[in-house]
Order: sequence, then structure tokens, then C-alpha cells
Amino acid sequence: AQSVAQPEDQVNVAEGNPLTVKCTYSVSGNPYLFWYVQYPNRGLQFLLKYITGDNLVKGSYGFEAEFNKSQTSFHLKKPSALVSDSALYFCAVRDRGSYQKVTFGTGTKLQVIP
Amino acid sequence: DGGITQSPKYLFRKEGQNVTLSCEQNLNHDAMYWYRQDPGQGLRLIYYSQIVNDFQKGDIAEGYSVSREKKESFPLTVTSAQKNPTAFYLCASSGKATSGRAGEQYFGPGTRLTVT
Repeated sequence: AQSVAQPEDQVNVAEGNPLTVKCTYSVSGNPYLFWYVQYPNRGLQFLLKYITGDNLVKGSYGFEAEFNKSQTSFHLKKPSALVSDSALYFCAVRDRGSYQKVTFGTGTKLQVIP
Repeated sequence: DGGITQSPKYLFRKEGQNVTLSCEQNLNHDAMYWYRQDPGQGLRLIYYSQIVNDFQKGDIAEGYSVSREKKESFPLTVTSAQKNPTAFYLCASSGKATSGRAGEQYFGPGTRLTVT
């Protein structure tokens, strides 16, 4: 079975500071990994994904994520946080063998303080 | 929210009534999904469908039913058997598993269902 853990319910960061939202995963094989963002009362929007290749993945709105196979982690990062980045962030994993079924984490609320 | 529409945005029902949530996509995606979102619990998969006329139970299918008669449509019925139906429901779709966008899901805006 595949699973995702987001250990922090909320992350607070000052505007202009770097941010990190943590994610660890568990799958039986090699994973596909994803980050999504959700604004209040809206659906989720895709940010970025890791399939293979370079461990540092760049995505939308200046976000990036680092895949670390030995630590089974896929942390989301941004060098300089904006107030508009405040939202709920979800990490997700898909086992390459499981056809299209994706498992989501419980989400981390990011609060960027002006 | 891409090419996925969900209606209505807010829905109120009395306990004991069945209710159907609409989900339509114009992305020509094969796979469609229904998730339930509750505070602090993330997204939980209710049902998913990989092709027309085929669907599989997700992790929390009890009290729900679906149909997939057309590629574009994947309605979800919340039956009176669902013990705690009040939640935010999200529909999503994704393209072919062999495509470069495999696994990326496109979400609708959601329907907030309140049952009293």
C-alpha cells in the first residue's frame, strides 16, 4: 500500500523568507510524486511532479521540490515566500504499478506573514 | 479549475434523502475520480473510473454510488446510507497513464454538501 505523510499541519513564514513544506512517502516501488495547492473553497491545482531524472523539480509560481530517495522525502520549497502563497498544500504519491490511483497527504496550511 | 465543472457549488439536503452531485469534463480524459475532503483528513478517494462503463471503489465507497455512461460525465450519488455525508466533494480527471502528464489530476471547484 502507498501512503504519504505531511508532518506539519501548519507552517508559518515571514514574507521574503524561504519556505519548506515537508512530505515523506511510502510505496512498494519507484514513485511518482506530486504537489498540489488549494485556495479556500476551491479545487486543487497541480504545482509540480517528480517522475524520473533530476532530483530537483521546478514547478509553477517559483516553487520547487527535492526528491530524496534515501530519506523517502519530497519537500516543497520556495526561495522567497509571498503573502499570496498562503494556502493549503497537498503532497501526493502514485506507485508506478498502480494504474492512476493517487494517494494524498492530509495537507499543510502555509501562512505567509506580511 | 481547468475544464471540469461541478454543480451545484453548495447543496443542502435533509437527512434520509439521496442526492446526486454533477461532474463534467471537456478535457477528453479517460480517468475520473471522486474525493471527499474533511478538515484535517486531506482527500479520501470515494470512487474512480478508468474508462466508460467501468468504475472501482476507492477507500471510502460505502454509502456512495456512481455511474460512467459517458466519457465526459461521472455523477456521484450520496445515499441515505452514508452516515456522515456533510463534506466538501471534489471531482478530478486525468489523462492516459502512458502520457507525459500521467498522474496529474485536474480538479473541479468542488461541491459543499450539508445534510441536516
